[in-house]
Amino acid sequence: AQSVTQLDSQVPVFEEAPVELRCNYSSSVSVYLFWYVQYPNQGLQLLLKYLSGSTLVKGINGFEAEFNKSQTSFHLRKPSVHISDTAEYFCAVREYNNNDMRFGAGTRLTVKP
Amino acid sequence: DAGVTQSPTHLIKTRGQQVTLRCSPKSGHDTVSWYQQALGQGPQFIFQYYEEEERQRGNFPDRFSGHQFPNYSSELNVNALLLGDSALYLCASAPGALYNSPLHFGNGTRLTVT
Repeated sequence: AQSVTQLDSQVPVFEEAPVELRCNYSSSVSVYLFWYVQYPNQGLQLLLKYLSGSTLVKGINGFEAEFNKSQTSFHLRKPSVHISDTAEYFCAVREYNNNDMRFGAGTRLTVKP
Repeated sequence: DAGVTQSPTHLIKTRGQQVTLRCSPKSGHDTVSWYQQALGQGPQFIFQYYEEEERQRGNFPDRFSGHQFPNYSSELNVNALLLGDSALYLCASAPGALYNSPLHFGNGTRLTVT
């Protein structure tokens, strides 16, 4: 079965600095990849998704991610963060023939002024 | 256009009791999945409903059961509650039964078992 590892549980960064949140996955078949954001006391909101095609995908709020099949990674990046980006970020993987979307444990991004 | 709505938002139950959580999918969506999110963890898949049937189930005991109605809304039932069932329960919907459909989540029901 597929699994997801988010390599950093917490990432503190100053406002307007770049950030990268790291995600590695494991699967024996082809996968679809997603990044979600969760603000306090809310559900998860889709940031971006990789289904096929170009390995660089752009999402909402200026985020982008790159799918690297050889390294089984799907790292999330933003060139300049804002205070409002402070939230929990989840990487998720779903196999082609599986309804079970697996989530990582999350990365807490804290943007400081 | 209403998104995924869940009720109630908060619930406190005692060990051994039973609970029912409700979910209305986003307009146009007919597939509903339920997830359990324990504190400090990522969501875990409980099961998915499509065409009023359970399509797939995660690693959860039979105490967890569900139902989907003809209008696509869904219920999650948990019997014989344990302290470890305390969590945020998230409902997610998607259009159709495609594996590449992103999930749209509600804000969840916070269940506390005492």
